[in-house]
Amino acid sequence: YVLTQPPSVSVAPGQTARITCGGNNIGRKSVHWYQQKPGQAPMVVVYDDRDRPSGIPESFSGSNSGNTATLTISRVEAGDEADYYCQVWDGDSDHMVFGGGTKLTVL
Amino acid sequence: QVQLVESGGGLVRPGGSLRLSCAASGFTFSDHFMSWIRQAPGRGLEWLSYISLTGTQTYYADSVKGRLTISRDNTKNLMYLQIDSLRDEDTAIYYCARRVIKNHAFDVWGQGTVVTVSS
Repeated sequence: YVLTQPPSVSVAPGQTARITCGGNNIGRKSVHWYQQKPGQAPMVVVYDDRDRPSGIPESFSGSNSGNTATLTISRVEAGDEADYYCQVWDGDSDHMVFGGGTKLTVL
Repeated sequence: QVQLVESGGGLVRPGGSLRLSCAASGFTFSDHFMSWIRQAPGRGLEWLSYISLTGTQTYYADSVKGRLTISRDNTKNLMYLQIDSLRDEDTAIYYCARRVIKNHAFDVWGQGTVVTVSS
């Protein structure tokens, strides 16, 4: 199972960033999103398509339908600049799968 | 606090072997599936393996199947990853991660241990 993410997304501060994750019928799977800043381990920011762990700002939200899942970051701040990865569990192969990652640049 | 700490990384010659450890603390280790994930320099995340609660079920990525062995010791709150026949492309940061009980997200990650394969 393959997850496809755009290599990079750029957005101005205060604007909305949308990072997509494409996969065959991904809407039937639960998608999790991770943020990774340089030199740090990844951190989950959205799980099960749209739920936020405690401590994650409301500016982070997710959606998933059809062949595309989307991580939306509203009111982007400089501190949101990071690499973002989507992840699913592929039950057919019993494998975890990560997308290739998207580098979010705040202009 | 909830914590995972990896160890065992280092410089290894091609063809060599290494055993990585992941020490868990601050939570009931035996309640969680656990995984190993790696990240090559400048690259994305690559899931490698995960292990069930008691260690009876193990799963591996196709890219590493046959060279990796995951195991755990719930009495010591430790998880291991044995890597054999190391190749240059195994050079990476190796993370251990805790799987959320109710889904397949990873909610706790270690800081990673660096493995460098070079002659």
